[in-house]
Amino acid sequence: GENVEQHPSTLSVQEGDSAVIKCTYSDSASNYFPWYKQELGKGPQLIIDIRSNVGEKKDQRIAVTLNKTAKHFSLHITETQPEDSAVYFCAASRGRDDKIIFGKGTRLHILP
Amino acid sequence: DAGVTQSPTHLIKTRGQQVTLRCSPKSGHDTVSWYQQALGQGPQFIFQYYEEEERQRGNFPDRFSGHQFPNYSSELNVNALLLGDSALYLCASSLEQGGEKLFFGSGTQLSVL
Repeated sequence: GENVEQHPSTLSVQEGDSAVIKCTYSDSASNYFPWYKQELGKGPQLIIDIRSNVGEKKDQRIAVTLNKTAKHFSLHITETQPEDSAVYFCAASRGRDDKIIFGKGTRLHILP
Repeated sequence: DAGVTQSPTHLIKTRGQQVTLRCSPKSGHDTVSWYQQALGQGPQFIFQYYEEEERQRGNFPDRFSGHQFPNYSSELNVNALLLGDSALYLCASSLEQGGEKLFFGSGTQLSVL
């Protein structure tokens, strides 16, 4: 079955700098790649997603890139702010009728 | 517009007991997925319900069962609880015709003593 690896497990960046989180997946049939943000005491919240027919997608300070050949996808957060501190999960699935498989998460700390 | 609601928020049980967790999906959603999240780990897929049927199942034993009601709400049942079942149980809803986007509730924190 699908396996999603995520790194780093912990990331600390200075406020205003950029943060990058990387993931790899094993199932070449995967075609949907969402990213979720989980704050303390809350469930994960979808922040951005990308499909396999697109190489890059951007939404304000957040961008995702996908390399289908290498089975890599990444989350980029620019101009980080204190409210970006949270745990971020990457995930993958084969599509609408398929389960979504999550990575183990990256705890992002934004340092003042 | 209410999001996904789960009850209870916290629960303490002892080994061998049985537990039922409840979930109401986001308004308009018809599909419910359940995930188990151990401390410091990512959510692990348990199963998904659509049209009151279990559509998919992850690698969880038969002690884990579920149900979906005609109003799309759902229950997760766990029998013969083990210490290792202690985790945050997350419910996520989605729209079958709307694609894969999952909307999560805040979860039920289950502690097994």
